[in-house]
Amino acid sequence: KNEVEQSPQNLTAQEGEFITINCSYSVGISALHWLQQHPGGGIVSLFMLSSGKKKHGRLIATINIQEKHSSLHITASHPRDSAVYICAVSPPLGAQKLVFGQGTRLTINP
Amino acid sequence: DAGVIQSPRHEVTEMGQEVTLRCKPISGHNSLFWYRQTMMRGLELLIYFNNNVPIDDSGMPEDRFSAKMPNASFSTLKIQPSEPRDSAVYFCATSPGVNTEAFFGQGTRLTVV
Repeated sequence: KNEVEQSPQNLTAQEGEFITINCSYSVGISALHWLQQHPGGGIVSLFMLSSGKKKHGRLIATINIQEKHSSLHITASHPRDSAVYICAVSPPLGAQKLVFGQGTRLTINP
Repeated sequence: DAGVIQSPRHEVTEMGQEVTLRCKPISGHNSLFWYRQTMMRGLELLIYFNNNVPIDDSGMPEDRFSAKMPNASFSTLKIQPSEPRDSAVYFCATSPGVNTEAFFGQGTRLTVV
């Protein structure tokens, strides 16, 4: 079993829909990261969070430390949101390497 | 700042040849990471450096892989000899310090034929 599991693996939706991508992890962490990878291949960090909720534009990330679960939400989705969204966790303080989920491929149709 | 700069963006080489991938970190970032991404295994950490010192190289697949960071502004990942199974996208990422946000380069797509 992977230490970081994402669901769904693939998601197709219509423009304007509310999107939720889930991430569960089985290890202790100091932080959780949400990354975005566009078809061109570049990876961009969207959020890094260790508790509660963060919002940036139409993107919202939440984390529940007790349940070892995080969600990434996209409101009013747009075709340009089409990308692979990757959840990654940082182990407890002192160990820097990220452990990645397999990613969720999101396609937003116009 | 131009961000993390990787070169080359694409590399096609024949099996058995030496391949060198390069990374220029964001100025002032103390941590540098080399990742490999494949369809089968997703993103995996190969090695990371703190203040130019290799901290964890447990992800380096085998002795054919080596990485160096001779100074704060440059790192290399070398594969010698290369094999077709090394074909992947190799990302360099840097961060300002421990447990901070990571900034990724555009990646080097390596194809070994």
